Amino acid sequence: DAGVTQSPTHLIKTRGQQVTLRCSPISGHKSVSWYQQVLGQGPQFIFQYYEKEERGRGNFPDRFSARQFPNYSSELNVNALLLGDSALYLCASSTGFLSNQPQHFGDGTRLSIL
Amino acid sequence: QKEVEQDPGPLSVPEGAIVSLNCTYSNSAFQYFMWYRQYSRKGPELLMYTYSSGNKEDGRFTAQVDKSSKYISLFIRDSQPSDSATYLCALEYSGSARQLTFGSGTQLTVLP
Repeated sequence: DAGVTQSPTHLIKTRGQQVTLRCSPISGHKSVSWYQQVLGQGPQFIFQYYEKEERGRGNFPDRFSARQFPNYSSELNVNALLLGDSALYLCASSTGFLSNQPQHFGDGTRLSIL
Repeated sequence: QKEVEQDPGPLSVPEGAIVSLNCTYSNSAFQYFMWYRQYSRKGPELLMYTYSSGNKEDGRFTAQVDKSSKYISLFIRDSQPSDSATYLCALEYSGSARQLTFGSGTQLTVLP
């Protein structure tokens, strides 16, 4: 079975632009979470979606938004990009929203802001 | 103070050595404990997932949780060069919005 897939793998943008990142969860997984990983640090939680509804939000500005589609895939949007948004953006999926269901990660989208 | 503290290393060991990786945490509300392995330019890969205090073993890996001391460990026996990676501990509250709180990761190199 395919794991979590993310696209694109790499992206270069300039300050002020907008970006959309995409995630397809493992088949049968209905929960998708997004994380930001800055070089040398652990991932930081951005959003969780379950059944197309936002179930959690981390400490990120309103420039960050996301949505989940009926097929459980998800998009992360970031507006007005800043240099500090340069990071690896990771998507994780799990079967449901309960804490006893482990999350599995994709290989991420590496976003570079010039 | 960070919620989860992890020694960043780097840690370098000879092949065959026993490796010990550790994290401490401050909030006793954390109930689920995970270890992920992350190779360069890849996403984190789930290695171990535990809930209660005590030990959980899977092949060469043993995860240990001590809730009273707020201390978790991952032991790797008979370490191999292929184990060279960054190891991340991750913790989760019960009933949370699936929000994992990660340590900063320990970079491990196993020398042949």
